[in-house]
Amino acid sequence: GAVVSQHPSWVICKSGTSVKIECRSLDFQATTMFWYRQFPKQSLMLMATSNEGSKATYEQGVEKDKFLINHASLTLSTLTVTSAHPEDSSFYICSARPGQGYEQYFGPGTRLTVT
Amino acid sequence: GQQVMQIPQYQHVQEGEDFTTYCNSSTTLSNIQWYKQRPGGHPVFLIQLVKSGEVKKQKRLTFQFGEAKKNSSLHITATQTTDVGTYFCAGPGTYKYIFGTGTRLKVLA
Repeated sequence: GAVVSQHPSWVICKSGTSVKIECRSLDFQATTMFWYRQFPKQSLMLMATSNEGSKATYEQGVEKDKFLINHASLTLSTLTVTSAHPEDSSFYICSARPGQGYEQYFGPGTRLTVT
Repeated sequence: GQQVMQIPQYQHVQEGEDFTTYCNSSTTLSNIQWYKQRPGGHPVFLIQLVKSGEVKKQKRLTFQFGEAKKNSSLHITATQTTDVGTYFCAGPGTYKYIFGTGTRLKVLA
C-alpha cells in the first residue's frame, strides 16, 4: 500500500514552453501533497504544500506564477512549470500524506530538462 | 529560519564497517524522521522518533533521538552494498517537514 505515482518520469521541453507534472496517490487519499525540487547530489528543497480544495502554500523564494499547483482531488495534484527556462531543469518529486498520518510517501520523481 | 544539518556530507566505508550519520536541528523538535534515497530513486520513509532519548532498531540500523530533542543519529552496523544511498533526516516545521542536508553513503565491496 501507500503508492504514489508521478507522470511523466522524465520530460525534455524547449525553453518558453510549459510542462505539467502529475502526482497521484494510488491507494490512499492524500489531504496534503508536497512538491520538492532536488538538484544533483543535494537535499530536497520544499517548493510548496498543496492541500485539497485550497490554494497551495509556497515556500519563500518560489514563484507561484511560475510553478502553478493544483490539488483538484484527494488523489491528484499537478505542478505546471510555466515558460520553462534551462535553469528550471531539475528533479521534481512529490510526496503525499494520508489523512492524519505522519509519514510522507514519495513519488518516483520527474526529471525535467529544458533545452 | 529553522535549519536541519547533517554530518558528514559524504562517507565511504568498506563493506562490513560501521557507519553513523548525525542530524542537528537549530530548534527543538517534536519528532524526527529518517529517509533513505537510493541513487536515482526517491526518498523512502524509514522511521519516526518521538520521545526524548528514544532508541529504535531496524535490523542493522539503530536510530537515536537526543535527550534535548535537537539532534538524532542513524548508525548502521556492518554495512552492506545494499546500504548505498543518501540518508536524510527531517524535522517538523509548520505543516511541513524540513529535510536535512543528507549524508551520502558509499560502500566499497
